[in-house]
Amino acid sequence: SAVISQKPSRDICQRGTSLTIQCQVDSQVTMMFWYRQQPGQSLTLIATANQGSEATYESGFVIDKFPISRPNLTFSTLTVSNMSPEDSSIYLCSAAGTPITNYGYTFGSGTRLTVV
Amino acid sequence: AQTVTQSQPEMSVQEAETVTLSCTYDTSESDYYLFWYKQPPSRQMILVIRQEAYKQQNATENRFSVNFQKAAKSFSLKISDSQLGDAAMYFCAYRTPNSGYALNFGKGTSLLVTP
Repeated sequence: SAVISQKPSRDICQRGTSLTIQCQVDSQVTMMFWYRQQPGQSLTLIATANQGSEATYESGFVIDKFPISRPNLTFSTLTVSNMSPEDSSIYLCSAAGTPITNYGYTFGSGTRLTVV
Repeated sequence: AQTVTQSQPEMSVQEAETVTLSCTYDTSESDYYLFWYKQPPSRQMILVIRQEAYKQQNATENRFSVNFQKAAKSFSLKISDSQLGDAAMYFCAYRTPNSGYALNFGKGTSLLVTP
């Protein structure tokens, strides 16, 4: 199965600034997903990112706050913009293999974000 | 709305014993896949086992097995011969075409393994 390298693993940021999280996959994947996870809580889907098209956002998440790029089949970024302390969380990316019937989802190791 | 319910926030098991984690889900679709993921303190999500809804046979992976009751929409995970390394957060999840193929997770069960 694919391996994902997610960077940074953690960061402490000032409110009002932005942070871009990167995920690099070691093979081509059809779909990538971005999740947010509060410590000790479940994973909440932020958006689905397909190469060559706009990301699809879940209710409660907007592109201006969480812009996503997917320039090719092995890479995606999530930016957390104009951060506030409420954005402090763990952010994870995930990838689904090609074809989509390959249901071997892989996850990055997560980015722990603290906004002060 | 499609939901996944894990009714046990915490479970404890002694080493070498067997424990069962429960999961129920609600979907009106017939084509879906079910998963159990393990998340240790390292945050890395690790696939434990998966089950296709169209398969009647319960999936098994070494010490891990599921009891899939499609009519009851139940998907429990049994861990046999528990080991200290099994201690982690366990998430039940499913995927359907109408969910855009994203995984929909339950709230998780924290498993403690005692010597």
